[in-house]
Amino acid sequence: QKEVEQNSGPLSVPEGAIASLNCTYSDRGSQSFFWYRQYSGKSPELIMSIYSNGDKEDGRFTAQLNKASQYVSLLIRDSQPSDSATYLCAGDSQGGSEKLVFGKGMKLTVNP
Amino acid sequence: DVKVTQSSRYLVKRTGEKVFLECVQDMDHENMFWYRQDPGLGLRLIYFSYDVKMKEKGDIPEGYSVSREKKERFSLILESASTNQTSMYLCASSLWTSGIGLETQYFGPGTRLLVL
Repeated sequence: QKEVEQNSGPLSVPEGAIASLNCTYSDRGSQSFFWYRQYSGKSPELIMSIYSNGDKEDGRFTAQLNKASQYVSLLIRDSQPSDSATYLCAGDSQGGSEKLVFGKGMKLTVNP
Repeated sequence: DVKVTQSSRYLVKRTGEKVFLECVQDMDHENMFWYRQDPGLGLRLIYFSYDVKMKEKGDIPEGYSVSREKKERFSLILESASTNQTSMYLCASSLWTSGIGLETQYFGPGTRLLVL
């Protein structure tokens, strides 16, 4: 069974700080990774996808993928109270499957 | 923009009732998924479908069935609702993967089901 592990948190950072969210995965063959944000009572929404080793930046968000160490991370710079949410990491499942495997999520609180 | 809609935001049913949850997407996506989300357990895949009339079991299919008669619509059926099926149900859809990486899954707003 493929697994995606996230620290359960919660994580609390002051406004303006960098929030770092980490995720490890068990299947060395996984190639596709996604970070979703989920506000309380709402459904997950995509923040970023990453497929290649290295960094991918989009505004205040940077996703990092290290396939050798089997981890993927999300950095949020200049954190805002509106970033307070649960963040879900997901990776692809068996080779050729359209399924994703989700981590259990980490709750982030940004304090004003 | 991708739009995934679900028939109800909140639903209250009695034990033993047959429950239908409907999901519709408007982006001609091949893949559709049903998840349930529970505190501490995360998102768990119930069933998914990659084409009309095609379905595959996910991690927790027991007590559920699905129907996909049209490409845009994917229904989740609780044959005889039980209290342990009280949960948030989320539908998602995605394009069929044609390149190296999986396509993004887009989620509907969710249905919060309470079984009494």
